[in-house]
Amino acid sequence: EVQLVESGGGLVQPGGSLRLSCAASGFTVSSNYMSWVRQAPGKGLEWVSVIYSGGSTYYADSVKGRFTISRDNSKNTLYLQMNSLRAEDTAVYYCARDNYYFDSWGQGTLVTVSS
Amino acid sequence: QSALTQPASVSGSPGQSITISCTGTSSDIGGYNYVSWYQQHPGKAPKVMIYDVSNRPSGVSNRFSGSKSGNTASLTISGLQAEDEADYYCSSYTSSSTVVFGGGTKLTVL
Repeated sequence: EVQLVESGGGLVQPGGSLRLSCAASGFTVSSNYMSWVRQAPGKGLEWVSVIYSGGSTYYADSVKGRFTISRDNSKNTLYLQMNSLRAEDTAVYYCARDNYYFDSWGQGTLVTVSS
Repeated sequence: QSALTQPASVSGSPGQSITISCTGTSSDIGGYNYVSWYQQHPGKAPKVMIYDVSNRPSGVSNRFSGSKSGNTASLTISGLQAEDEADYYCSSYTSSSTVVFGGGTKLTVL
């Protein structure tokens, strides 16, 4: 059974950093495209970033230069390093397996950026 | 990376059919057959209902169907049921190797 479990969310001050993790089971992260998608409170879904099986990475303009997606093949885990956080980054962050559509999602982890 | 355009809300009575539109550009919906639709109930993670324009994942009711014409994709739900009440989002791959979502449509079953 495919399972994704996010962790690492919490309260952080503007300008701070946070690293999210997404532990996968039932499939191999490095053999798949993996994405992060976020949802601000009461708002719609926003795609954040993808890492391809070959290692290429892409980002939404809103996070480019501040966020970095990566993976640890030995831990079968996806990461999102978030730097220079802003209030508008407050959201539930989901990781998802990406087959040009998101067929499996985690439960999400809440990131709150506030002083 | 402008969001795809969806109606903010639609409604229908049980048993009726509804269609949700999703309009993009030739750089996303019009250029690729990688349009997908997601259902999200309050407090839950999204669930894929349609992928690659018109394909249904295993386990999704055949009351859900998808199509595309030009730069506009559509999701049709037939035989509306109370459990279909949720938010629905369209999504498309783009020419920039990114993904764009629609703003979401709240479906109310009257």
